[in-house]
Amino acid sequence: NAGVTQTPKFRVLKTGQSMTLLCAQDMNHEYMYWYRQDPGMGLRLIHYSVGEGTTAKGEVPDGYNVSRLKKQNFLLGLESAAPSQTSVYFCASRPTGDPSYNEQFFGPGTRLTVL
Amino acid sequence: GDSVTQMEGPVTLSEEAFLTINCTYTATGYPSLFWYVQYPGEGLQLLLKATKADDKGSNKGFEATYRKETTSFHLEKGSVQVSDSAVYFCALIGPGTSYDKVIFGPGTSLSVIP
Repeated sequence: NAGVTQTPKFRVLKTGQSMTLLCAQDMNHEYMYWYRQDPGMGLRLIHYSVGEGTTAKGEVPDGYNVSRLKKQNFLLGLESAAPSQTSVYFCASRPTGDPSYNEQFFGPGTRLTVL
Repeated sequence: GDSVTQMEGPVTLSEEAFLTINCTYTATGYPSLFWYVQYPGEGLQLLLKATKADDKGSNKGFEATYRKETTSFHLEKGSVQVSDSAVYFCALIGPGTSYDKVIFGPGTSLSVIP
């Protein structure tokens, strides 16, 4: 049982390049999330999904797209990377039910640098 | 909107010292409150939580009490260890949200030295 895994762990991009971050979970969770973590700002929600085939915008969605074609995978895409997207990206998942009693499980993160 | 404020640190303590990390919040109604911990190179893990006023969450020697009157959820531990070195995030989930948006504080970095 690997929990939540993220690929890759590190990446350096040039401005304008594109890339996809992969999140996979083996806990059969319905809900999945993408966050970015920046110094002094905590975690901010980019996009989330409440089930296979669904996606929705979070707090800071601009410049990102997501897809949830399979229940266990949640992909985060950057179509044209910008230096402002330099950050650490975390994926999380949780089961259905009251979020106060069904915690989110986080992956180890992807450190992205955009030059 | 809902928000969480916490001391940013960094906080440096000697082993066996007493730890307090302050957290205050702004929210409508009665949110659920959480402390998450992030060890170096890892993702966040839930440390403890409290879902109603006066509840005390506890785990691994850490405690926090949900104080509605002071809108606070301070994290405490009586005797810290080197292995407690991490970043600690206070967070809340407000009631009545259409999705479970977790509001995180900025995080407090703790270093414990032998």
